Amino acid sequence: GEQVEQLPSILRVQEGSSASINCTYENSASNYFPWYKQEPGENPKLIIDIRSNMERKQTQGLIVLLDKKAKRFSLHITDTQPGDSAMYFCAASATSSGQKLVFGQGTILKVYL
Amino acid sequence: GGIITQTPKFLIGQEGQKLTLKCQQNFNHDTMYWYRQDSGKGLRLIYYSITENDLQKGDLSEGYDASREKKSSFSLTVTSAQKNEMAVFLCASSITGGDAEQFFGPGTRLTVL
Repeated sequence: GEQVEQLPSILRVQEGSSASINCTYENSASNYFPWYKQEPGENPKLIIDIRSNMERKQTQGLIVLLDKKAKRFSLHITDTQPGDSAMYFCAASATSSGQKLVFGQGTILKVYL
Repeated sequence: GGIITQTPKFLIGQEGQKLTLKCQQNFNHDTMYWYRQDSGKGLRLIYYSITENDLQKGDLSEGYDASREKKSSFSLTVTSAQKNEMAVFLCASSITGGDAEQFFGPGTRLTVL
C-alpha cells in the first residue's frame, strides 16, 4: 500500500525564521495532500491542502509545494511564532484507494524565542 | 458546524480484556474512521466506514473489530488488550470523497496494565 515518509521528526527554529517539513509518497496515483496540525493535548486539525492539479498553494503564512515528478510535497511556515509549535502531519490519498488517507510519521516543531 | 464526541476519554484495561470505544458525530457525515496514534508518532488507520453498516479494513485492523451501528456512530473494539499497551485512539469523520477534510474527535487514551 501507500507509504508516506515525513522528515524531519523534530524541528527547532527561532521565532521569526521559517520552517520546512518534507514528505515523499510512493503511489503515483495520489492526488490529494493535506497537512494537519496537532497541538499538545488536542486533536489534529486541517491547516492547508493541495491537489495534484496544483504545484503551489499559499494561505496565511503557510506555503505548500507539490512536485509530482519527484513524488514529494512540502510545508513551509514563514515567520514562525511560538503558537506554531505543534506536531504536524502530512498525508496523501488517491481516488483509486477510496477514502483512505495515509499519514506521515509527524514532525514536532518547536519555535523558541 | 458539528462535533465529534468520543467515550470514554480515558480507558484502563487489563491484559486480555475486550474493550470498546465509542464515537458519535453530528456533522451528518457519511464516512467515519478509527486511527491509532502511538506517542510522538503518526496516525495509522484501523477501520473506516463509508456508510451505515459498511466496514473497511485499514492497515492496522488485526486485533480490532468495528461496528457502524448508524450513520452518526462508529464503535471500535480491542479484542484482546496487550499488556503495557498505551495509545490514543482517534475517531474522525468526513463527507464522501478521498479529498475531503477529516474532522477528528478528542481521542480515547488507552492504558493496559
